[in-house]
Amino acid sequence: EDKVVQSPLSLVVHEGDTVTLNCSYEVTNFRSLLWYKQEKKAPTFLFMLTSSGIEKKSGRLSSILDKKELFSILNITATQTGDSAVYLCAVRIYNQGGKLIFGQGTELSVKP
Amino acid sequence: DGGITQSPKYLFRKEGQNVTLSCEQNLNHDAMYWYRQDPGQGLRLIYYSQIVNDFQKGDIAEGYSVSREKKESFPLTVTSAQKNPTAFYLCATGRLQNTGELFFGEGSRLTVL
Repeated sequence: EDKVVQSPLSLVVHEGDTVTLNCSYEVTNFRSLLWYKQEKKAPTFLFMLTSSGIEKKSGRLSSILDKKELFSILNITATQTGDSAVYLCAVRIYNQGGKLIFGQGTELSVKP
Repeated sequence: DGGITQSPKYLFRKEGQNVTLSCEQNLNHDAMYWYRQDPGQGLRLIYYSQIVNDFQKGDIAEGYSVSREKKESFPLTVTSAQKNPTAFYLCATGRLQNTGELFFGEGSRLTVL
């Protein structure tokens, strides 16, 4: 059974801290891994990773994929209260209509 | 505005009633998806459709039904056979070839009284 597991499930930090969110997967026919941020309702896209070892970066957020060890991390440096959200990791596999298999999500709370 | 519109945003229903959630998109995306979100469980796939008049079951299709009569619309019916329908429902769309990210609507929160 295809599976995506995120850790930790929840995290509380203070502004300015750096956090690392983890995502591991066990799937057949891996195609890509995606990260989303969900603040209230609609998840918004952050990154899509297809190749090992190539870091994707957007401002204070960055992510990298390790296809040998089957995991990805999402780093957030100098956290702000606006980073408080649920971060979702999802994997797309081949020949499954483009559907995404999601992890449970990591709920991040950034305190002032 | 381009995007995905889900309605209603909040819905209450009594046990034994069917309810239909609407999802409309003007992004011209071929693929559409319905996910269910429960606390602590992430998103789980209910149904998806890649083309008009065709759709496939996801991981938790029991108690749900869908239709895809036109490209822009993919309504989800939560039937009385769904044992635990109280949840947050998200509709998503994706491009041809199923590459790239999925785009999500704002969601519909269904509460069964």
